[in-house]
This record gives sequence, C-alpha cells and structure tokens, in this order.
Amino acid sequence: DAKTTQPNSMESNEEEPVHLPCNHSTISGTDYIHWYRQLPSQGPEYVIHGLTSNVNNRMASLAIAEDRKSSTLILHRATLRDAAVYYCISASLRGKLIFGQGTTLQVKP
Amino acid sequence: GAVVSQHPSWVICKSGTSVKIECRSLDFQATTMFWYRQFPKQSLMLMATSNEGSKATYEQGVEKDKFLINHASLTLSTLTVTSAHPEDSSFYICSAITSGRVTDTQYFGPGTRLTVL
Repeated sequence: DAKTTQPNSMESNEEEPVHLPCNHSTISGTDYIHWYRQLPSQGPEYVIHGLTSNVNNRMASLAIAEDRKSSTLILHRATLRDAAVYYCISASLRGKLIFGQGTTLQVKP
Repeated sequence: GAVVSQHPSWVICKSGTSVKIECRSLDFQATTMFWYRQFPKQSLMLMATSNEGSKATYEQGVEKDKFLINHASLTLSTLTVTSAHPEDSSFYICSAITSGRVTDTQYFGPGTRLTVL
C-alpha cells in the first residue's frame, strides 16, 4: 500500500469549512483514497472514499487532484463533534488498510 | 446499516490468562474481517486479516500462536489473546467488509480495551 503524508494537526473554528490535505504521490492506478476518522476511545468511522473523481456525501467532500498524487477532505461546516483524528489511506477497495499517524483536528467554538 | 459490535467493550485480566474478544457484524454478512490494535496516542496497527472458513493471515511481527483468530461464520470473528501479559494491554479493534455491495469499504467496531495486570 502506498504511503500517505498528512499534517500532524490542524485547527478550525466552529461552523467554518475545513480542508484536510493528504499527499499520496506513489499511489497505484487502482488504489482508492479512503478517509476515516477516529474519536477518542472509539473505533474509526468511515468518512468517504474515491478513485479519480471528486466525491460528495452527507459527511464531507473529497477533492482528488487530477494526477491523483494528492487529495483534500473538505468538511463544509465544522462542528465540535468533528474534532477527531482523520486518516487518509490509499488502498485497494476491499483490501487491508494501513493507517498512518493521521491529522488531529481541533475545532474551536 | 453496516454495524459492527465488539464484546466485551473492556476487560481486565491477570497476567498469564487468556482473553477472547468477539467481533460481530450485526446487519450484514462479512466475508472478511480485520483485527487491529492501538496503543495510547498511536495509530492503529493491522494485526491480521480473517476470511470466513479459512486461516487468518497475520501481518509481519504478529505472533499467530499468541493471537488466535477464528472466523467461523459470516457474522462472527474472535480474537483470543493467549497467556496475556501487561505488554498486551491495548485497544483492540475489528473491522468488517460486507460480502454484498462491491463499492463498500470497511466498517469498524467500537473497540475492546484490554488491561493485563
């Protein structure tokens, strides 16, 4: 699985958009970009995943660069409940996920 | 939909005893389940991949005789930590992939916190 690089931490104000970047410069052509988040003392929660096109769901949007070497998870209006560790993982669709250190998102009221 | 449960949610045991953790997919059939462990302030580390009806595939460095995995049905996988020691204290998390929709990704359980005294 390709390695991903994320900032260790980010801060956001409540009700403002948040853009969480991820670099995956060695991603293979068939690997998807998966995003999960984890609240303290809980299992990870699926956020979104995509292959080439931008994706939207009720939780977030995923913007994938044209060369697929980077992507950005967009939370349109951050809430306090969005404070979590966000993991960006490149992997096959139904394959194993190798977690990196992720980005710890703090949301300030 | 796609709910994964774990039991127990936490367990405390004495050193040398064995502990079994269950992972169930409540509303779907899971052909593949994964087991992870997570130490405080660290990321998740994949331990093994479990396919229904076959032997688990362990990641490098994970002792298969110490962490016994059984995936006997499409809704249940178990992880047994044998002869647990304090260094096995960790947060154990399972995940499952549905056997149906091709586009599905992994769904995670809430985790089991193991403390070995």
